[in-house]
Amino acid sequence: DGGITQSPKYLFRKEGQNVTLSCEQNLNHDAMYWYRQDPGQGLRLIYYSQIVNDFQKGDIAEGYSVSREKKESFPLTVTSAQKNPTAFYLCASSIGTAGNQPQHFGDGTRLSIL
Amino acid sequence: RKEVEQDPGPFNVPEGATVAFNCTYSNSASQSFFWYRQDCRKEPKLLMSVYSSGNEDGRFTAQLNRASQYISLLIRDSKLSDSATYLCVVPTRTGRRALTFGSGTRLQVQP
Repeated sequence: DGGITQSPKYLFRKEGQNVTLSCEQNLNHDAMYWYRQDPGQGLRLIYYSQIVNDFQKGDIAEGYSVSREKKESFPLTVTSAQKNPTAFYLCASSIGTAGNQPQHFGDGTRLSIL
Repeated sequence: RKEVEQDPGPFNVPEGATVAFNCTYSNSASQSFFWYRQDCRKEPKLLMSVYSSGNEDGRFTAQLNRASQYISLLIRDSKLSDSATYLCVVPTRTGRRALTFGSGTRLQVQP
């Protein structure tokens, strides 16, 4: 079955540690996105990528980094500079790059601070 | 004006009721709109796409009013399983090739 796979489902970060969240899709979608969702809040865009080896900052990119070395993979690193990383992280992809087509989501990673 | 605004609710309705949510948007150039459903602690799932004046899928109807820049979602014959948060989604105004998600309207269908 085609889809988006995020791992791990739950992740704990120690003070000063960088952690990486995985996102893989086998939908052959060009565009991929990372969002953060805090309890009771909406989705906020962290980074997005429309093509391999290229990505753009979203609204809350500080303290995060990404790479897009393969079309199917878009990992997100939460660095120690992100002082409040506890949130639900969602990865999405869409078939087009115009930004006007629906996005399909993975089932998310919950990150907490130890 | 925010890019997309929704009444957070909650809307508490009995089973079988008809309920409607509105969503206003600021990007007058938008051509496509979406409604997503998000269950508690789950990922959003696409419910409907709206590309013209509206769309209907079973008990769900989405309508678009371009002049007033709002989109509505109508749910008829509400089921307990319709309880969720409904997200209104529009293309981002700033020219960024992405979507902007509303904060959602929470629906609770009661027996």
